[in-house]
Amino acid sequence: QKEVEQNSGPLSVPEGAIASLNCTYSDRGSQSFFWYRQYSGKSPELIMSIYSNGDKEDGRFTAQLNKASQYVSLLIRDSQPSDSATYLCAVSRQAGTALIFGKGTTLSVSS
Amino acid sequence: GAVVSQHPSRVICKSGTSVKIECRSLDFQATTMFWYRQFPKQSLMLMATSNEGSKATYEQGVEKDKFLINHASLTLSTLTVTSAHPEDSSFYICSARASLDRVPGGYTFGSGTRLTVV
Repeated sequence: QKEVEQNSGPLSVPEGAIASLNCTYSDRGSQSFFWYRQYSGKSPELIMSIYSNGDKEDGRFTAQLNKASQYVSLLIRDSQPSDSATYLCAVSRQAGTALIFGKGTTLSVSS
Repeated sequence: GAVVSQHPSRVICKSGTSVKIECRSLDFQATTMFWYRQFPKQSLMLMATSNEGSKATYEQGVEKDKFLINHASLTLSTLTVTSAHPEDSSFYICSARASLDRVPGGYTFGSGTRLTVV
């Protein structure tokens, strides 16, 4: 399988801080990029999707994509304890093909 | 949204027996279903892609004779773990592709099955 790499963490930030999650991918043909949140024993929940270079903002979340560097990141502003979870980066080569997931980064937000 | 119902949520079986996991699309037709396996603190690893009415495509290293996938209708895909052994204990998740106007991102997931082989 093509590789998607993430720092497994844990990443610990205080409440109200910015959490920065990073991901690199090996398949230069990847077209679609996703961030999911997963709680233990549960299926993933979509946080953000991004398809073109640049930034995409949705509330407290900002996804950044740089296809030349094969890098995608997720910023969480004003982090809350409820944001504590494992964040999975996923990519797909084209519409309709399977998502390839990274190992996930565990985020812990302390109050 | 597009809902995928996955059953059972948990199953414990004896070593050497077979276990069937079902994923059913409730309100849409799932032409393609993806099956993943996740070990503790590991990534979701793609096992196979199943297309309705045709043979599944397995990822390298996944034994097709051990993990039998059937996708006989547009609303049902099953994964059967044959002759299960303790090393098959894992979290199995199915996923289906749905239209973007129904599911943000276009991928919907079952709730997962925790398989424990004793």
